[in-house]
Amino acid sequence: AQSVTQLDSQVPVFEEAPVELRCNYSSSVSVYLFWYVQYPNQGLQLLLKYLSGSTLVKGINGFEAEFNKSQTSFHLRKPSVHISDTAEYFCALKMGAGSYQLTFGKGTKLSVIP
Amino acid sequence: GAGVSQTPSNKVTEKGKYVELRCDPISGHTALYWYRQSLGQGPEFLIYFQGTGAADDSGLPNDRFFAVRPEGSVSTLKIQRTERGDSAVYLCASSLKGPGLAGQETQYFGPGTRLLVL
Repeated sequence: AQSVTQLDSQVPVFEEAPVELRCNYSSSVSVYLFWYVQYPNQGLQLLLKYLSGSTLVKGINGFEAEFNKSQTSFHLRKPSVHISDTAEYFCALKMGAGSYQLTFGKGTKLSVIP
Repeated sequence: GAGVSQTPSNKVTEKGKYVELRCDPISGHTALYWYRQSLGQGPEFLIYFQGTGAADDSGLPNDRFFAVRPEGSVSTLKIQRTERGDSAVYLCASSLKGPGLAGQETQYFGPGTRLLVL
């Protein structure tokens, strides 16, 4: 069975500092990987996704993530965070072609400190 | 354009009661999904509709849960004899066509219905 692990439940970071949110996955088949962001009282919004090709994926709001197959990781990064980035971030996977079910990690709450 | 909408945004009920949660997908989206997000957890898959039919309901926790999508657009998640453990945020998502030959489609999520069973 597939699974997603987000090791950090909470990450505090000062404004304009860089941040990395970690995501590791387990799957016996090839996967598609996603990062979603959830602002308070709002739905999940897609930040970026890895389907194939270049392992460095750029998303919205200045975020990027790197797919590392050997380490089964898909860490999310931003070089300089803003107060508005304060939210909960979810890593998720789909089990490749023909799949529709997203499997999510438990989420990481990013708090940006002014 | 309009995104996925869900009503009500909050629902408080008593143990044993029946509740209905509604989802309006993005217009033209044929695929619809329900997920449940318990406190401190990521969303968990419940059911997937392709058009009017439930293509996969393997995530429904038990037979108290049921969902319909009679006209291939709006969907209703129904919970009978609610229990305190049903308290969670119920999320609905839609996508344009469904997975097809590739699981690449983006699922667009609504804001969720926060259900509290007292």
